Amino acid sequence: DSGVTQTPKHLITATGQRVTLRCSPRSGDLSVYWYQQSLDQGLQFLIQYYNGEERAKGNILERFSAQQFPDLHSELNLSSLELGDSALYFCASSPRGGAVETQYFGPGTRLLVL
Amino acid sequence: AQKITQTQPGMFVQEKEAVTLDCTYDTSDQSYGLFWYKQPSSGEMIFLIYQGSYDEQNATEGRYSLNFQKARKSANLVISASQLGDSAMYFCAMREGLQGATNKLIFGTGTLLAVQP
Repeated sequence: DSGVTQTPKHLITATGQRVTLRCSPRSGDLSVYWYQQSLDQGLQFLIQYYNGEERAKGNILERFSAQQFPDLHSELNLSSLELGDSALYFCASSPRGGAVETQYFGPGTRLLVL
Repeated sequence: AQKITQTQPGMFVQEKEAVTLDCTYDTSDQSYGLFWYKQPSSGEMIFLIYQGSYDEQNATEGRYSLNFQKARKSANLVISASQLGDSAMYFCAMREGLQGATNKLIFGTGTLLAVQP
C-alpha cells in the first residue's frame, strides 16, 4: 500500500458525460501528479500540482481540468467524454515535487466510456 | 526529446532464476533520475528502484538491482531468484532533469514478465 488513495476504483459512464476522479496523497506529501494509462498511448503525464498551485502540464486535453485543494487532495475533472478517454487514471504523490523524490502511485481509477 | 525504450514486449523466466529487463534512454540532460515500477494484473503501480544519474554505485533493493551504464544510456533491471509473484508488467521511467520546475515521469512501453514454475 503506497498510502495514496484514489476513488472511485471503477467508473462506467457514457459519451458526453462529465466525471470527477479524486486523489488523496500520502500523508505529508505536497505534490500530486496525474497520469493516464491507455492501450494506444501508454502511460502519459497529465498535470502536476504542488501545494495547491499548478506546477506543470503535460498532454492534458482542454476537456480535462484538475485542482488541488487546501487539504492537499486533488480532483481530476473529465468532461465531454469520448470513447477514447477510456483508460486507467493514476494519481501519484511526492513530498515536495523535488529533484530526487520518488513518486508513489495510487491504485488508479479505471474509466470506461460507453 | 527525452525517450525511454524497452525493447522486450514479453519475457519468460523459470522460478528461482535471475532475469534482466532492458531499458535504454535518451536525454540531453546531465542530471536525471531513472525508475522502475511494477504493475501486476491488479493494475496498481509499485515503485521498485531508483538510480540518479550522478550515483556512482548501482542501486539495489532486495532482489532488485539496477545495472546502470551511463555511457551506453542503459538502466537494466535485474531480478534475482524470480518468484511467481514477480509475474507482472515492468515499466522503466525517467524524470526530466533534476533542476526543472516539473518532475514528470516519462515511461517506456513496458515488459511483461511471466515467471514459470
